[in-house]
Amino acid sequence: GEDVEQSLFLSVREGDSSVINCTYTDSSSTYLYWYKQEPGAGLQLLTYIFSNMDMKQDQRLTVLLNKKDKHLSLRIADTQTGDSAIYFCAVAYNAGNMLTFGGGTRLMVKP
Amino acid sequence: GAGVSQTPSNKVTEKGKYVELRCDPISGHTALYWYRQSLGQGPEFLIYFQGTGAADDSGLPNDRFFAVRPEGSVSTLKIQRTERGDSAVYLCASSGDRVASEAFFGQGTRLTVV
Repeated sequence: GEDVEQSLFLSVREGDSSVINCTYTDSSSTYLYWYKQEPGAGLQLLTYIFSNMDMKQDQRLTVLLNKKDKHLSLRIADTQTGDSAIYFCAVAYNAGNMLTFGGGTRLMVKP
Repeated sequence: GAGVSQTPSNKVTEKGKYVELRCDPISGHTALYWYRQSLGQGPEFLIYFQGTGAADDSGLPNDRFFAVRPEGSVSTLKIQRTERGDSAVYLCASSGDRVASEAFFGQGTRLTVV
């Protein structure tokens, strides 16, 4: 089955850019997502990208997809303390009825 | 309602007991998903409903787990003979079509088996 990997932890200073990386194994993945989870809260969909795209930008968020290397990244510009959370990468196939999540990257933003 | 609602928010049960977890999806959403999130891990898929039928139940770990959605709206996840390893946060999500990009998650039910 699909395997999705993320690094466990990232620490940045407020105002810097954060880059969270994700690798996956199944090249037939069609939709790729980034979710944010804050303590005690549910999963919040941040953004997603279709597999036929290389990049998607949405305000402070930039998603880059390298299909050849099966690598997905999320860049957060001008990171704020409110961005501190766990970020999950998730991939889906075909109609996307099932998501396979990575283990999550805990982002800590220092003032 | 405004979002996906899950009840109870917390459930503590004794090993061997039966539990039911409820999910109220966003009104009009035809697709409903159950996931399980263990401590320090990402959510793992359990089952997916399209309307009343389970379109994909390949993630259910064993036959102690069962889920229903009799009227195509509210869903109940049922766990028989609970084990300590079942302790996790059970997440429900719903979407308006089959594309999971539009899935909205509930706050989850934290199940603790003692």
